[in-house]
Amino acid sequence: NAGVTQTPKFRILKIGQSMTLQCTQDMNHNYMYWYRQDPGMGLKLIYYSVGAGITDKGEVPNGYNVSRSTTEDFPLRLELAAPSQTSVYFCASSYATGIVAYEQYFGPGTRLTVT
Amino acid sequence: AQTVTQSQPEMSVQEAETVTLSCTYDTSESDYYLFWYKQPPSRQMILVIRQEAYKQQNATENRFSVNFQKAAKSFSLKISDSQLGDAAMYFCAYRSSKYNNNDMRFGAGTRLTVKP
Repeated sequence: NAGVTQTPKFRILKIGQSMTLQCTQDMNHNYMYWYRQDPGMGLKLIYYSVGAGITDKGEVPNGYNVSRSTTEDFPLRLELAAPSQTSVYFCASSYATGIVAYEQYFGPGTRLTVT
Repeated sequence: AQTVTQSQPEMSVQEAETVTLSCTYDTSESDYYLFWYKQPPSRQMILVIRQEAYKQQNATENRFSVNFQKAAKSFSLKISDSQLGDAAMYFCAYRSSKYNNNDMRFGAGTRLTVKP
């Protein structure tokens, strides 16, 4: 059981470039999330998904896009990278029913620098 | 919107001693979840302990326990018999219990140093 895996671990982008951060979970969780963590700050939710084909915006969605074609995968797309997107990105997954939301399991993070 | 405040940017503790990390939150909801996550230098976020707001009993996990004061909206983490491996950033987090609310709010974190 690998849990939540993310690739790449590190990436440097030039302003205006695009890239996709990959996230995969093998726990059959229905919920998946993308967070960013800026230096000295807590995590902020970018996008989340409650199941394949369903996504919704979090607190800071501008400049990002997501898709969820399978239960396992939840890629995050950055279009036209900007220096403000320099951050550490975490993917997470959890199981939730209509009553209970269980704890989130996090991937190891991707450190992205935009210069 | 809910906010989570951790007023101690840094804390230090002597090995084998006890330390308490503070967390307060603001919400108008009556039912919710509170969490403490640990983030070591590896950056991996690790769940330490979780508390459901409807439970009056404070959660405990081995050396980790919480003091949950719902009226005061306070959720502190006590680490007993501190070990060198406890050194990390600790984040307090709030999550609504509503099914369609997936916004987990994190505090800014407290960096814990453990002195040998």
